[in-house]
Amino acid sequence: RKEVEQDPGPFNVPEGATVAFNCTYSNSASQSFFWYRQDCRKEPKLLMSVYSSGNEDGRFTAQLNRASQYISLLIRDSKLSDSATYLCVVIPNTGGFKTIFGAGTRLFVKA
Amino acid sequence: GAVVSQHPSWVICKSGTSVKIECRSLDFQATTMFWYRQFPKQSLMLMATSNEGSKATYEQGVEKDKFLINHASLTLSTLTVTSAHPEDSSFYICSARSTGRSSTGELFFGEGSRLTVL
Repeated sequence: RKEVEQDPGPFNVPEGATVAFNCTYSNSASQSFFWYRQDCRKEPKLLMSVYSSGNEDGRFTAQLNRASQYISLLIRDSKLSDSATYLCVVIPNTGGFKTIFGAGTRLFVKA
Repeated sequence: GAVVSQHPSWVICKSGTSVKIECRSLDFQATTMFWYRQFPKQSLMLMATSNEGSKATYEQGVEKDKFLINHASLTLSTLTVTSAHPEDSSFYICSARSTGRSSTGELFFGEGSRLTVL
């Protein structure tokens, strides 16, 4: 089993749609979680951190479920500019430097 | 905010030559930097962890004599692809995390270096 698993997609959705991605992780001791966005031929950029209580940033909502060991990202009112690959990132333990990336979920938002 | 700069952005070289890629943390010190490789339509693959003042830690399957890593200062790590061959053509990305008191733990990425070996 991979340490971090994501549905690769692609997800093809119309503008305005709501779309959700899940990411599961295998190490129950994992401490920090992030969603990154990567545009084609560009470096990944932080979209948002994921907190235990869940957090929201505009149209984006991230949640963490420690019991089931998954994190989720919800995008509401999708825009064309949301088309990208979304990477789930897990840091296995506190103070550790190693960062585990999911394979990424590709999203295409169509007009 | 913290920024990581990578250079060069594009490299085209002949087979058999060596290519050096630099990764700099611009406004924070990074005792640890990471090097990744990404092939088209594939995920980031961690190649190695670069440790300032000591040897890099390579992931399984990554040849340390092929991919030389030097982390001589707290703001600079270099990756040298030695005797590059066409199969080494890829997008190489570095990253670093600021671990100061005000750090959020965010991982910052360089802009990436696209290597094409002819």
